[in-house]
Amino acid sequence: QSALTQPRSVSGSPGQSVTISCTGTSSDVGGYNYVSWYQQHPGKAPKLMIYDVSKRPSGVPDRFSGSKSGNTASLTISGLQAEDEADYYCCSYAGSYSHVVFGGGTKLTVL
Amino acid sequence: EVQLVESGGGLVQPGGSLRLSCAASGFTFSSYWMSWVRQAPGKGLEWVANIKQDGSEKYYVDSVKGRFTISRDNAKNSLYLQMNSLRAEDTAVYYCAREGRYCSGGSCYQADYFDYWGQGTLVTVSS
Repeated sequence: QSALTQPRSVSGSPGQSVTISCTGTSSDVGGYNYVSWYQQHPGKAPKLMIYDVSKRPSGVPDRFSGSKSGNTASLTISGLQAEDEADYYCCSYAGSYSHVVFGGGTKLTVL
Repeated sequence: EVQLVESGGGLVQPGGSLRLSCAASGFTFSSYWMSWVRQAPGKGLEWVANIKQDGSEKYYVDSVKGRFTISRDNAKNSLYLQMNSLRAEDTAVYYCAREGRYCSGGSCYQADYFDYWGQGTLVTVSS
């Protein structure tokens, strides 16, 4: 069982928006503004999409955005494209002892 | 271009040992914390261990404490993971990942995300 809870799957049609939630506790998501999101295509390495809750690394389209409210972080992908179909993982700092914890991952299907 | 290339994975019997390596290039290796993150087949990501720039601090997930040892050689731009007393539940793809950092006013400090990942190396623990 993963430390952070994500829906197992979400789906959307091209051009639509989808939001993936990531629920933790006050010891991780709720306690720090250090949530990151990773995209992973089958057989590939994860790729950083969002860090520090809402910051985008250079090269990541602005269709990807992040937010947080209380113990729940969210990744929103607007203007869905076929290449967005992938697994998405959230990650949060959880203190100096645990370092970081991941969510179980969400499979995004573009219909 | 930042590159991380893992090697050393393979099939090992329960109780056996394996040493993973990660060759880094395209950045100043000695300036970054580095981590190992693993992914069991069909499962999610799990942080395993990390190490400070000079190797003076090392941290591990509870499930590998006392069995795995992370180390680095900054002269060789390399990161290592020595895995002993391997169990079936250690079966996974192991990724080498660079930890991000924040820099301000000439000083930089560790950030809690992974900005570059290697392609991974598969470790299978089975008899």
